Amino acid sequence: EAGVAQSPRYKIIEKRQSVAFWCNPISGHATLYWYQQILGQGPKLLIQFQNNGVVDDSQLPKDRFSAERLKGVDSTLKIQPAKLEDSAVYLCASSSPQGLAANAYNEQFFGPGTRLTVL
Amino acid sequence: SQKIEQNSEALNIQEGKTATLTCNYTNYSPAYLQWYRQDPGRGPVFLLLIRENEKEKRKERLKVTFDTTLKQSLFHITASQPADSATYLCAAPMDSSYKLIFGSGTRLLVRP
Repeated sequence: EAGVAQSPRYKIIEKRQSVAFWCNPISGHATLYWYQQILGQGPKLLIQFQNNGVVDDSQLPKDRFSAERLKGVDSTLKIQPAKLEDSAVYLCASSSPQGLAANAYNEQFFGPGTRLTVL
Repeated sequence: SQKIEQNSEALNIQEGKTATLTCNYTNYSPAYLQWYRQDPGRGPVFLLLIRENEKEKRKERLKVTFDTTLKQSLFHITASQPADSATYLCAAPMDSSYKLIFGSGTRLLVRP
């Protein structure tokens, strides 16, 4: 079974520029997550989708970050404009074909991440 | 606030020994804990899940314990190998939520 795909793998931009990341989850997984992982820290959830609806975006800096999952499959995360402190690895994960209730105990499957450097 | 804490210092052990990593949680009681492995340049990979009513869980050379009195989970790798060298992350759901909080991870280095 194919894993979670992300692109690009690396991105270097100047501050105030825009950037977008793409994620294709495991086929059939209803739940999709975007995490930010700063060097030396654990992943921090930015946004969680269930199909094409947002379940939690409480930690998403909405003044500059946006995400969508229009058809309930792949997703894009955008930063506009980027700041120096946005330098991090952006991880996408997916879980469970059953939905939220059944995936309470299920593991998350992570993609390789996109390493963003903001200069 | 709810926290998951792991020892930020790297653990350096000799091949063949047992590695023991610690995960402490504060200000709440999670329904379960998960352990993930993360290699450089890669996303975390799920290893084990232990529920609050389980004292211990095993999978091959891995063992996880969950002590609700100490508010702690221990992760053991027996007969460790250099290939076990990685960062190990502990995660738990936030109270009344499916949202996972991750610890900062502990880096394990197994010397041949």
